[in-house]
Amino acid sequence: NAGVTQTPKFQVLKTGQSMTLQCAQDMNHNSMYWYRQDPGMGLRLIYYSASEGTTDKGEVPNGYNVSRLNKREFSLRLESAAPSQTSVYFCASSEMAGNEQFFGPGTRLTVL
Amino acid sequence: AQSVSQHNHHVILSEAASLELGCNYSYGGTVNLFWYVQYPGQHLQLLLKYFSGDPLVKGIKGFEAEFIKSKFSFNLRKPSVQWSDTAEYFCAVRSLTSNTGKLIFGQGTTLQVKP
Repeated sequence: NAGVTQTPKFQVLKTGQSMTLQCAQDMNHNSMYWYRQDPGMGLRLIYYSASEGTTDKGEVPNGYNVSRLNKREFSLRLESAAPSQTSVYFCASSEMAGNEQFFGPGTRLTVL
Repeated sequence: AQSVSQHNHHVILSEAASLELGCNYSYGGTVNLFWYVQYPGQHLQLLLKYFSGDPLVKGIKGFEAEFIKSKFSFNLRKPSVQWSDTAEYFCAVRSLTSNTGKLIFGQGTTLQVKP
């Protein structure tokens, strides 16, 4: 039981490049979330998926898109990366919306 | 706007000192409250949570937190810290007027415990 896994662990992009961050959970959870963590700002919700087949915007969705591919997987896409998107990205899941969230190990992204 | 505020950004303590980290939120309705910890190089882990009932909740590793509804607060405490408690601590709040499970996190408090 791996919990929540994320790939890649590290990534460096040039401004304008695109990439997809992958997240998968093996706990049969219904809800999944994407956060970004920046110094002094805590974690901010980018997008979430309360259940398979649904996605909604969080606090800071601009510049991102998501796909809830199936119950296990929830990907985050940056279509045209900007330096302001340099951050650590965490994926999380919970059995139901509102329950304890379990976090992945994070992806450290640098946009030059 | 709904928000969560952690007053202490950086706390330095010696081992065996007592710890209290403040957390206040601005939601008016019923809430669920959480404290998460992030040890250096690791992902966030749940320390404790409050959903209902006894406002004094106990978590892992000797941590506890008290929900004071009248003060909109959920402060984290530990009577005697250890070097291994060095980490970043996040308070998070979920409003029950929303069924989305969205958590709003505070800015985080970095705790450094000196041996």
